[in-house]
Amino acid sequence: DTGVSQNPRHKITKRGQNVTFRCDPISEHNRLYWYRQTLGQGPEFLTYFQNEAQLEKSRLLSDRFSAERPKGSFSTLEIQRTEQGDSAMYLCASSSWTGGDTIYFGEGSWLTVV
Amino acid sequence: AQSVTQLGSHVSVSEGALVLLRCNYSSSVPPYLFWYVQYPNQGLQLLLKYTSAATLVKGINGFEAEFKKSETSFHLTKPSAHMSDAAEYFCAVEYPNNNDMRFGAGTRLTVKP
Repeated sequence: DTGVSQNPRHKITKRGQNVTFRCDPISEHNRLYWYRQTLGQGPEFLTYFQNEAQLEKSRLLSDRFSAERPKGSFSTLEIQRTEQGDSAMYLCASSSWTGGDTIYFGEGSWLTVV
Repeated sequence: AQSVTQLGSHVSVSEGALVLLRCNYSSSVPPYLFWYVQYPNQGLQLLLKYTSAATLVKGINGFEAEFKKSETSFHLTKPSAHMSDAAEYFCAVEYPNNNDMRFGAGTRLTVKP
């Protein structure tokens, strides 16, 4: 078990460019989550998948954000036309089916939009 | 709407002193409750969780928390702080039949020598 893996760990991009982050969850975990965390704040829920189905999206997830989990394994989070306000750490997490089960987090992907 | 409040964005204690980090939640049904710790530039690591079993929950690194339904609280404690405990601590809540975890704003713990 290698844990939740995210890449890239750091990304600096110019405003207006598109960026994509990848998350590989713990194998056999049905649920995969994306959170965003800015400095001095707790993680904010963005979206979650159960297997390949995206079941919930936060209103924080604007039209410029899209997440996929095509085969129910890894997931990608794409941000189009990045804005400076998108600068944050994007955390991926995974868990098993059962409610109350531990959610395991990756190390996060830092995005800086300049 | 479910929410969790952490009282005190910064807590400073001396090494060896009691650590108390406060967390209150809003709910009409018993939730699942979690405490996570985050070290600089790292992801979140689970310290402990409450899932409707024993109300006093013991976690890693000597931390424990007690679920008090009457006070809607889930405060985190450790009898004796260690320098390595300096980090950001997040309380989180997940409700049965809901599908995501909501976090508090975090409490930064500083441990003085």
